[in-house]
Amino acid sequence: EPEVTQTPSHQVTQMGQEVILRCVPISNHLYFYWYRQILGQKVEFLVSFYNNEISEKSEIFDDQFSVERPDGSNFTLKIRSTKLEDSAMYFCASSETRGSNEQFFGPGTRLTVL
Amino acid sequence: QKEVEQNSGPLSVPEGAIASLNCTYSDRGSQSFFWYRQYSGKSPELIMSIYSNGDKEDGRFTAQLNKASQYVSLLIRDSQPSDSATYLCAVNWGRGSTLGRLYFGRGTQLTVWP
Repeated sequence: EPEVTQTPSHQVTQMGQEVILRCVPISNHLYFYWYRQILGQKVEFLVSFYNNEISEKSEIFDDQFSVERPDGSNFTLKIRSTKLEDSAMYFCASSETRGSNEQFFGPGTRLTVL
Repeated sequence: QKEVEQNSGPLSVPEGAIASLNCTYSDRGSQSFFWYRQYSGKSPELIMSIYSNGDKEDGRFTAQLNKASQYVSLLIRDSQPSDSATYLCAVNWGRGSTLGRLYFGRGTQLTVWP
Protein backbone atom coordinates (compact mmCIF):
# COMPACT_ATOMS: atom_id res chain seq x y z
CA GLU A 1 0.00 0.00 0.00
CA PRO A 2 1.42 3.41 -0.94
CA GLU A 3 2.52 5.56 1.97
CA VAL A 4 4.05 8.91 2.77
CA THR A 5 7.69 8.70 3.81
CA GLN A 6 9.74 11.23 5.77
CA THR A 7 13.43 11.66 6.51
CA PRO A 8 15.13 11.94 8.86
CA SER A 9 13.14 10.29 11.64
CA HIS A 10 14.97 12.37 14.23
CA GLN A 11 16.93 15.60 13.79
CA VAL A 12 18.89 17.29 16.53
CA THR A 13 20.14 20.80 15.86
CA GLN A 14 21.51 23.82 17.63
CA MET A 15 19.41 26.94 18.02
CA GLY A 16 19.90 29.26 15.07
CA GLN A 17 20.82 26.48 12.63
CA GLU A 18 18.90 25.70 9.46
CA VAL A 19 17.13 22.38 9.05
CA ILE A 20 15.46 20.76 6.08
CA LEU A 21 12.85 18.10 6.63
CA ARG A 22 12.06 15.86 3.69
CA CYS A 23 8.93 14.09 2.59
CA VAL A 24 7.94 11.88 -0.30
CA PRO A 25 4.14 12.08 -0.71
CA ILE A 26 2.03 9.30 -2.17
CA SER A 27 2.78 9.29 -5.89
CA ASN A 28 -0.64 10.16 -7.38
CA HIS A 29 -1.49 12.75 -4.74
CA LEU A 30 -1.69 16.40 -5.69
CA TYR A 31 -2.01 18.22 -2.38
CA PHE A 32 0.71 18.33 0.23
CA TYR A 33 0.71 19.55 3.80
CA TRP A 34 2.96 20.07 6.77
CA TYR A 35 1.66 19.83 10.33
CA ARG A 36 3.46 19.86 13.62
CA GLN A 37 2.70 18.50 17.06
CA ILE A 38 4.44 19.83 20.12
CA LEU A 39 4.66 17.16 22.82
CA GLY A 40 1.32 16.76 24.56
CA GLN A 41 -0.45 19.27 22.32
CA LYS A 42 -2.76 19.31 19.32
CA VAL A 43 -1.71 18.59 15.79
CA GLU A 44 -1.38 22.03 14.17
CA PHE A 45 -1.53 22.97 10.50
CA LEU A 46 1.46 24.77 9.05
CA VAL A 47 1.04 24.98 5.30
CA SER A 48 -0.63 23.45 2.28
CA PHE A 49 0.89 23.24 -1.19
CA TYR A 50 -0.63 22.60 -4.59
CA ASN A 51 0.54 23.08 -8.15
CA ASN A 52 3.97 24.24 -6.99
CA GLU A 53 2.74 27.01 -4.78
CA ILE A 54 1.50 27.58 -1.27
CA SER A 55 -2.29 27.34 -1.02
CA GLU A 56 -2.59 28.37 2.59
CA LYS A 57 -0.35 28.94 5.57
CA SER A 58 -1.11 29.34 9.24
CA GLU A 59 0.06 32.05 11.60
CA ILE A 60 2.80 29.66 12.75
CA PHE A 61 4.33 29.56 9.26
CA ASP A 62 6.30 32.80 9.43
CA ASP A 63 9.28 33.99 7.39
CA GLN A 64 11.54 31.41 9.03
CA PHE A 65 9.67 28.63 7.26
CA SER A 66 9.62 27.75 3.59
CA VAL A 67 8.46 24.81 1.51
CA GLU A 68 9.62 23.51 -1.81
CA ARG A 69 8.97 20.70 -4.24
CA PRO A 70 12.43 20.47 -5.77
CA ASP A 71 11.58 17.56 -8.05
CA GLY A 72 8.68 15.33 -8.96
CA SER A 73 8.72 13.33 -5.75
CA ASN A 74 10.16 15.28 -2.81
CA PHE A 75 8.46 17.92 -0.70
CA THR A 76 10.59 19.79 1.82
CA LEU A 77 10.10 22.05 4.82
CA LYS A 78 12.97 24.37 5.68
CA ILE A 79 13.35 26.22 8.94
CA ARG A 80 15.96 28.90 8.44
CA SER A 81 16.98 29.73 11.99
CA THR A 82 15.62 27.26 14.48
CA LYS A 83 14.35 28.30 17.89
CA LEU A 84 13.88 26.20 21.01
CA GLU A 85 10.12 26.38 20.53
CA ASP A 86 10.41 24.74 17.10
CA SER A 87 11.07 21.44 18.87
CA ALA A 88 8.17 19.21 17.84
CA MET A 89 7.11 16.31 15.64
CA TYR A 90 6.69 17.47 12.06
CA PHE A 91 4.29 15.51 9.92
CA CYS A 92 3.96 15.61 6.17
CA ALA A 93 0.61 14.63 4.69
CA SER A 94 -0.80 14.29 1.22
CA SER A 95 -4.23 13.97 -0.32
CA GLU A 96 -5.45 12.97 -3.71
CA THR A 97 -8.03 15.71 -4.22
CA ARG A 98 -9.45 18.60 -2.27
CA GLY A 99 -12.90 17.12 -2.60
CA SER A 100 -12.43 14.15 -0.36
CA ASN A 101 -9.48 15.68 1.42
CA GLU A 102 -8.55 12.42 3.04
CA GLN A 103 -5.07 13.26 4.21
CA PHE A 104 -2.54 10.52 4.82
CA PHE A 105 0.28 11.25 7.20
CA GLY A 106 3.91 10.24 7.10
CA PRO A 107 5.67 8.82 10.16
CA GLY A 108 7.02 12.21 11.16
CA THR A 109 10.36 13.81 11.94
CA ARG A 110 11.14 14.54 15.55
CA LEU A 111 12.99 17.86 15.64
CA THR A 112 14.94 18.69 18.77
CA VAL A 113 16.44 22.16 19.03
CA LEU A 114 19.12 22.57 21.71
CA GLN B 1 -12.39 31.03 15.69
CA LYS B 2 -12.60 27.42 14.58
CA GLU B 3 -12.50 25.00 17.48
CA VAL B 4 -12.68 21.24 17.69
CA GLU B 5 -13.38 19.89 21.16
CA GLN B 6 -12.95 16.39 22.52
CA ASN B 7 -12.99 14.90 25.98
CA SER B 8 -9.37 14.14 26.73
CA GLY B 9 -10.28 11.04 28.72
CA PRO B 10 -8.86 8.69 29.53
CA LEU B 11 -11.70 6.48 28.44
CA SER B 12 -11.32 2.97 29.72
CA VAL B 13 -13.43 0.05 28.47
CA PRO B 14 -13.15 -3.72 28.82
CA GLU B 15 -12.27 -5.91 25.87
CA GLY B 16 -15.33 -6.66 23.76
CA ALA B 17 -17.24 -3.55 24.84
CA ILE B 18 -18.31 -0.60 22.71
CA ALA B 19 -16.13 2.50 23.01
CA SER B 20 -17.86 5.80 22.26
CA LEU B 21 -15.79 8.85 21.38
CA ASN B 22 -17.28 12.29 20.91
CA CYS B 23 -16.29 15.51 19.18
CA THR B 24 -17.95 18.90 18.80
CA TYR B 25 -16.96 21.71 16.49
CA SER B 26 -17.60 25.39 16.46
CA ASP B 27 -18.70 26.34 12.95
CA ARG B 28 -21.71 25.08 11.03
CA GLY B 29 -19.86 25.62 7.75
CA SER B 30 -17.77 22.49 8.24
CA GLN B 31 -17.70 20.15 5.29
CA SER B 32 -15.56 17.11 6.10
CA PHE B 33 -14.92 15.18 9.27
CA PHE B 34 -12.24 12.65 10.03
CA TRP B 35 -11.18 10.32 12.79
CA TYR B 36 -7.53 9.51 13.18
CA ARG B 37 -5.89 7.04 15.52
CA GLN B 38 -2.54 7.96 17.02
CA TYR B 39 -0.44 5.49 18.95
CA SER B 40 2.04 6.98 21.38
CA GLY B 41 5.01 8.45 19.53
CA LYS B 42 3.51 7.69 16.12
CA SER B 43 1.77 9.67 13.42
CA PRO B 44 -2.00 10.04 12.95
CA GLU B 45 -3.54 7.18 11.01
CA LEU B 46 -6.80 7.85 9.15
CA ILE B 47 -9.52 5.43 10.16
CA MET B 48 -12.79 7.09 9.12
CA SER B 49 -14.09 9.98 7.07
CA ILE B 50 -17.67 11.25 6.98
CA TYR B 51 -19.22 14.04 4.96
CA SER B 52 -23.00 13.87 5.36
CA ASN B 53 -25.42 13.47 8.24
CA GLY B 54 -26.03 9.98 9.52
CA ASP B 55 -23.96 6.90 10.15
CA LYS B 56 -21.07 5.44 8.23
CA GLU B 57 -19.83 1.97 9.07
CA ASP B 58 -16.46 0.39 8.29
CA GLY B 59 -15.80 -2.91 10.00
CA ARG B 60 -15.88 -2.40 13.74
CA PHE B 61 -15.96 1.39 13.38
CA THR B 62 -19.05 3.58 12.97
CA ALA B 63 -18.85 7.32 12.52
CA GLN B 64 -21.94 9.40 13.24
CA LEU B 65 -22.45 12.97 12.09
CA ASN B 66 -25.09 15.47 13.16
CA LYS B 67 -24.40 18.81 11.52
CA ALA B 68 -27.34 20.55 13.19
CA SER B 69 -25.87 19.72 16.59
CA GLN B 70 -22.29 20.23 15.35
CA TYR B 71 -21.40 16.82 16.66
CA VAL B 72 -19.46 13.86 15.32
CA SER B 73 -18.80 10.60 17.11
CA LEU B 74 -16.92 7.37 16.64
CA LEU B 75 -18.12 4.02 17.94
CA ILE B 76 -15.73 1.11 18.19
CA ARG B 77 -17.51 -2.21 18.56
CA ASP B 78 -15.88 -5.31 20.07
CA SER B 79 -13.01 -3.19 21.38
CA GLN B 80 -9.61 -4.86 21.44
CA PRO B 81 -6.51 -4.03 23.50
CA SER B 82 -4.85 -3.08 20.19
CA ASP B 83 -7.42 -0.26 19.91
CA SER B 84 -5.75 1.45 22.87
CA ALA B 85 -4.57 4.76 21.43
CA THR B 86 -5.45 8.43 21.23
CA TYR B 87 -8.28 9.18 18.82
CA LEU B 88 -8.15 12.51 17.05
CA CYS B 89 -11.14 14.26 15.57
CA ALA B 90 -10.30 16.50 12.61
CA VAL B 91 -12.51 18.93 10.73
CA ASN B 92 -12.14 20.64 7.39
CA TRP B 93 -14.19 23.76 6.87
CA GLY B 94 -13.78 23.61 3.13
CA ARG B 95 -14.41 27.27 2.45
CA GLY B 96 -12.29 29.49 0.27
CA SER B 97 -8.71 29.68 1.42
CA THR B 98 -9.21 27.13 4.18
CA LEU B 99 -9.84 24.32 1.72
CA GLY B 100 -7.72 21.37 2.74
CA ARG B 101 -6.63 22.62 6.14
CA LEU B 102 -7.56 20.24 8.98
CA TYR B 103 -8.31 21.48 12.46
CA PHE B 104 -7.63 18.85 15.11
CA GLY B 105 -9.02 18.27 18.55
CA ARG B 106 -6.73 17.40 21.43
CA GLY B 107 -7.71 13.75 21.18
CA THR B 108 -9.33 11.23 23.50
CA GLN B 109 -7.09 8.61 25.04
CA LEU B 110 -8.72 5.18 24.92
CA THR B 111 -7.57 2.21 26.97
CA VAL B 112 -9.07 -1.23 26.34
CA TRP B 113 -8.26 -3.63 29.14
CA PRO B 114 -8.29 -7.42 28.70
